[in-house]
Amino acid sequence: EDQVTQSPEALRLQEGESSSLNCSYTVSGLRGLFWYRQDPGKGPEFLFTLYSAGEEKEKERLKATLTKKESFLHITAPKPEDSATYLCAVQAGYQLIWGAGTKLIIKP
Amino acid sequence: DAGVIQSPRHEVTEMGQEVTLRCKPISGHNSLFWYRQTMMRGLELLIYFNNNVPIDDSGMPEDRFSAKMPNASFSTLKIQPSEPRDSAVYFCASRRTSGGETDTQYFGPGTRLTVL
Repeated sequence: EDQVTQSPEALRLQEGESSSLNCSYTVSGLRGLFWYRQDPGKGPEFLFTLYSAGEEKEKERLKATLTKKESFLHITAPKPEDSATYLCAVQAGYQLIWGAGTKLIIKP
Repeated sequence: DAGVIQSPRHEVTEMGQEVTLRCKPISGHNSLFWYRQTMMRGLELLIYFNNNVPIDDSGMPEDRFSAKMPNASFSTLKIQPSEPRDSAVYFCASRRTSGGETDTQYFGPGTRLTVL
């Protein structure tokens, strides 16, 4: 069964304290792994797509990596404005299978 | 680009009333998705359209829910009659269906529905 599991459920960091969010997946025939950011009261905002193991993508303080079983979203020297829920999803056919998200809180 | 547009942004209604949610996808996108998001169940796919044709409606909770896409620039999700358990945030997302980078779904701001 296709499944996506994100950990931790919530993460509190001090401003400048780097860390990583995990997305573990089981899917037959990965066509892509997606990271989104969701702020309260808004729709998910696209961040990255990763297609194959070993691929990495960066955007500002965020870096996403992919292996055959999991993806990491590394956040370097985060700022309070990075606080949000980060969602991971894998494409299975035309559908996205979604994780439950990690709520990231960055304290100033 | 204006992005995916949804209306209304907030809807409060009483149990038994009909509710219609509206979505305008990104111009040039040929796939459209309706999702429901709750704290308990996260994001759930309700229905998927490709080229205005419903491809998969297996996520539609029951017959009270219906969706249409009369043309490439407009879709509706209707709930009749509404029930308190339908309270959630409903998202519309669109995508240009082809391989590679264009598989990304882009989401609208959502409609927060409260059924009293």
